[in-house]
Amino acid sequence: SQLAEENLWALSVHEGESVTVNCSYKTSITALQWYRQKSGEGPAQLILIRSNEREKRNGRLRATLDTSSQSSSLSITATRCEDTAVYFCATDAQGGRALIFGTGTTVSVSP
Amino acid sequence: NAGVIQTPRHKVTGKGQEATLWCEPISGHSAVFWYRQTIVQGLEFLTYFRNQAPIDDSGMPKERFSAQMPNQSHSTLKIQSTQPQDSAVYLCASSLSTSAETLYFGSGTRLTVL
Repeated sequence: SQLAEENLWALSVHEGESVTVNCSYKTSITALQWYRQKSGEGPAQLILIRSNEREKRNGRLRATLDTSSQSSSLSITATRCEDTAVYFCATDAQGGRALIFGTGTTVSVSP
Repeated sequence: NAGVIQTPRHKVTGKGQEATLWCEPISGHSAVFWYRQTIVQGLEFLTYFRNQAPIDDSGMPKERFSAQMPNQSHSTLKIQSTQPQDSAVYLCASSLSTSAETLYFGSGTRLTVL
């Protein structure tokens, strides 16, 4: 079973719009990470948010973490076509276990 | 910094043959991870080394799959007697020391078993 799961398979937006990907997880965590994977490439980290943080920003990206509801969100503002990718959340169960990825949400940004 | 290097990029094997996949982590990183990615199963964790020692192999199939890290500069994933269901993209990643830090992924090896 997945330790973390994104809530939607796919989202489509037009350039310039905002989009939010949601994630829920099942265990206590040290940190939650968001990754983006473009076609033909390995995943690349966007944001790492630790369990004692509630919000983290990176340019047009904003991640939130709610440990009480065991959920996180990643918002992208002013989307661009190059933001088209699969977005994953990933968590490490406390205790130094490996990073486990959710199933991913495909975000498509059209002109 | 060349990033995580995986070779080969593509590998085609016949059913029953052996496949060895190579990974060179980022210099100075002590943790190395292997994942398998398919459309159906998504991104599955296989195994994890830290300072060359196996830490967690809970995702490794019990038969035919093995991973090693003989030195800090490379790791191998070996699949014996490959089967069509082993066809996938195999991804290697490294981090400074743990999974609670940024993982840097290679571009993967696409294994096709005919």
